[in-house]
Amino acid sequence: SAVISQKPSRDICQRGTSLTIQCQVDSQVTMMFWYRQQPGQSLTLIATANQGSEATYESGFVIDKFPISRPNLTFSTLTVSNMSPEDSSIYLCSGTGTGHGEQYFGPGTRLTVT
Amino acid sequence: GENVEQHPSTLSVQEGDSAVIKCTYSDSASNYFPWYKQELGKRPQLIIDIRSNVGEKKDQRIAVTLNKTAKHFSLHITETQPEDSAVYFCAAAIGSNYKLTFGKGTLLTVNP
Repeated sequence: SAVISQKPSRDICQRGTSLTIQCQVDSQVTMMFWYRQQPGQSLTLIATANQGSEATYESGFVIDKFPISRPNLTFSTLTVSNMSPEDSSIYLCSGTGTGHGEQYFGPGTRLTVT
Repeated sequence: GENVEQHPSTLSVQEGDSAVIKCTYSDSASNYFPWYKQELGKRPQLIIDIRSNVGEKKDQRIAVTLNKTAKHFSLHITETQPEDSAVYFCAAAIGSNYKLTFGKGTLLTVNP
């Protein structure tokens, strides 16, 4: 299985600022995704990170708010822009291996916006 | 889009008993159904998955069944242990895009 790391593990940010979260996988993956998980809730897909092209966003999420990059097969970033307290959540990246499509998750970034 | 319903939201069992969690999905095109276990403060861990070309899959004390006609799938844990206590999520995906739609989760508590 792919080993996935994220940085930072947590952060406390002020309203109106932006935070960039990094995701690194240890092997080539075919697909990378970004999810949001609010405390005590399920996971919601934000977008699919496409290598070398614009991410594909799910309904309710827009590029201006959550710009995503994926410059190569093993690295992606998610930026949470112009943050508000409603953006306080855990953000997780995931990767799908080249085997049978199993999806593995990073440890998450716990974001608190004050 | 896909909608996944999961029941129950909480489940408490005695150690050694079996636990069953059920999910239904809405899109008949879904063909990949993983289950994740998430302990408090940890990442979701893939514990078992099933694809639409099989009806049942087993891995030691864990099994998953799929009924494509009824559009539901279930997780079965036998001989439960306290370390099985966690939140379990079912999910569904369509085709090769592997975009997962998750259920709301089941908090399983195994009492010693």
